[in-house]
Amino acid sequence: AQKITQTQPGMFVQEKEAVTLDCTYDTSDPSYGLFWYKQPSSGEMIFLIYQGSYDQQNATEGRYSLNFQKARKSANLVISASQLGDSAMYFCAMRNQGGKLIFGQGTELSVKP
Amino acid sequence: DAMVIQNPRYQVTQFGKPVTLSCSQTLNHNVMYWYQQKSSQAPKLLFHYYDKDFNNEADTPDNFQSRRPNTSFCFLDIRSPGLGDAAMYLCATSEERQETQYFGPGTRLLVL
Repeated sequence: AQKITQTQPGMFVQEKEAVTLDCTYDTSDPSYGLFWYKQPSSGEMIFLIYQGSYDQQNATEGRYSLNFQKARKSANLVISASQLGDSAMYFCAMRNQGGKLIFGQGTELSVKP
Repeated sequence: DAMVIQNPRYQVTQFGKPVTLSCSQTLNHNVMYWYQQKSSQAPKLLFHYYDKDFNNEADTPDNFQSRRPNTSFCFLDIRSPGLGDAAMYLCATSEERQETQYFGPGTRLLVL
C-alpha cells in the first residue's frame, strides 16, 4: 500500500534556527515524486519543494531543502533560519505513477520569537 | 501572475440546498482537481479532469458532481449538502498528471 507518514503532529522552533520536519513513505512504484506543501491558517496549499525518485541530488529552494534518503524511504524537509511567517501546517505528499497525490497527516510548525 | 482562483472564499448554505463552488485558472493547465479537506485532516481527492475527461475517485459520494465547460473553469456541485460536507474545498491544477499541482486559496463551506 502507498502511504505517507508524518510522525510529528506539532513542532516548535526558535526564530532564526533550523528545523527538520520528518516524512517517510511507502511505495513499490519505481518512479514517484515527493512534495512538501505549506498551509497557513488562511487555507491555501503552497508548493514548497519537489524531489523526483531518480534525482541524484537533494532538492533545494531558498531556505527549504529536502533530505532525500531513498534506501530509508525518507524525505525530510529542512527549513533554515526560521521566520515567524513559517508558522503553518506542513504536508508531505507523494505522487504515484498514476499521478495521484497521497498526503501525510501534516505537521503543525510554530515559530517562537 | 498566473494563478488558480477560487470563488467564493467562504460559502454558507443550508442543509439540502444545492451549492456550486467555482475554480478558474490562468495557467492553461490540462488537469484540474477538486479536494475536500476537513478540519485537522489531509486533503482528500474527490475527482479530477484531464482536459474534458472526468475521473471520479471510487469513494466520492454521488452527492458531489463536477463540470468543466472549458480549459479555464471547473465547478464543484454539491446536490444536497449535509452537515458532514462542511469543509475546505481546494482546487488544484497541473500541466500534466505527472507534474506539480498548484492549489487555489480554497473555499470554506459551512452548512447550516
